[in-house]
Amino acid sequence: DIQMTQSPSSLSASVGDRVTITCQASQDISNYLNWYQQKPGKAPKLLIYDASNLETGVPSRFSGSGSGTDFTFTISSLQPEDIATYYCQQYDNLPRYTFGQGTKLEIK
Amino acid sequence: EVQLVQSGAEVKKPGESLKISCKGSGYSFTSYWIGWVRQMPGKGLEWMGIIYPGDSDTRYSPSFQGQVTISADKSISTAYLQWSSLKASDTAMYYCARLTRAPEPLGYFDYWGQGTLVTVSS
Repeated sequence: DIQMTQSPSSLSASVGDRVTITCQASQDISNYLNWYQQKPGKAPKLLIYDASNLETGVPSRFSGSGSGTDFTFTISSLQPEDIATYYCQQYDNLPRYTFGQGTKLEIK
Repeated sequence: EVQLVQSGAEVKKPGESLKISCKGSGYSFTSYWIGWVRQMPGKGLEWMGIIYPGDSDTRYSPSFQGQVTISADKSISTAYLQWSSLKASDTAMYYCARLTRAPEPLGYFDYWGQGTLVTVSS
């Protein structure tokens, strides 16, 4: 099975900071990597698909990059409404959909 | 507008059966896979399985194979997740979500239901 290692598990940052979360796959997954945001008590929301594509309607301060085994999610300038838990998720053609452990983002 | 509307919260006893639902609207329900995702209290997201309502092709995560049954009734645009004998460890929030990039079971979950909280307690 493909394992997804997401880090850090929690993160505290100030408004306006640049925030980076990483996700590492245990084997090459090409660009089959998505990022979701989950606010407390809410369903997850798709932000980035296929490693670097911004979902329609998502603010441009969110971005993703990477391919193969190493991926990065970035918020260029943290806003108060970005407080949430972020998950990476890989997919393949078996099919399998594996989520990372999540990164809880808080305001400092 | 694409919507997935899930059935309401449930409180059950161990050993009881349960079927929760997810009704799709605003798109061709038979043309997209629907997935189910579990979130145990305070924990992360776990993919359980997916179904293609067009022909009821169903794929399960190995972790959930044999533990739950996923089905769909395309005549009423509704997918289901059911248990025959609940355990306390089934206590969780369950989400349905639409998988894009049909007809292949690939891609990302672009629309999500609001979640159904299942509590199993004696």
